[in-house]
Amino acid sequence: EPEVTQTPSHQVTQMGQEVILRCVPISNHLYFYWYRQILGQKVEFLVSFYNNEISEKSEIFDDQFSVERPDGSNFTLKIRSTKLEDSAMYFCASMTTGIVSEQFFGPGTRLTVL
Amino acid sequence: AQSVAQPEDQVNVAEGNPLTVKCTYSVSGNPYLFWYVQYPNRGLQFLLKYITGDNLVKGSYGFEAEFNKSQTSFHLKKPSALVSDSALYFCAVRPDQTGANNLFFGTGTRLTVIP
Repeated sequence: EPEVTQTPSHQVTQMGQEVILRCVPISNHLYFYWYRQILGQKVEFLVSFYNNEISEKSEIFDDQFSVERPDGSNFTLKIRSTKLEDSAMYFCASMTTGIVSEQFFGPGTRLTVL
Repeated sequence: AQSVAQPEDQVNVAEGNPLTVKCTYSVSGNPYLFWYVQYPNRGLQFLLKYITGDNLVKGSYGFEAEFNKSQTSFHLKKPSALVSDSALYFCAVRPDQTGANNLFFGTGTRLTVIP
């Protein structure tokens, strides 16, 4: 069964450093998402991406964040200058097409900012 | 504003007994409702969804959920719990709006099935 994969599983970084979180969505999916979950809190939407551009973003997704689909398979989330409060589990998700489809989630990357 | 409430942080049930995990929602327009399950060190796995039609939807692993529009609820149920059902369960809603396809999640309910 196809699945969304994410690397690394755990990333530790120093405050102010740049990090890139990587995701490989399911191959025939067209919509891509990043969510995050701060420890003990709910899963929160960050950004959605369709047709090589951002289609929606939340207020969390400020200028420090960017997303890219550099080739036909990878989908990345970059945080330019990490803050302590960026420490969270980051989930990538993908979806085939249409609002009635379900999103498939990857296992997550745990980001720890020191 | 869209929101989802899962009023119970923790639900304990004996193996073989029926289980219910509660979810209520608030959304503009018609809701699309989802349940996901998270096992330790795993991503969110899709269980079932309500889009339209029959209020009782059936999903993976014997789970089902009932959409109740008047009570704005979408409770997850299973007739007979298994120890392997122990996990973290998330309810999510997507508003029926053009261009809005991100999910709003509840805070999650940890289900423990006691042998």
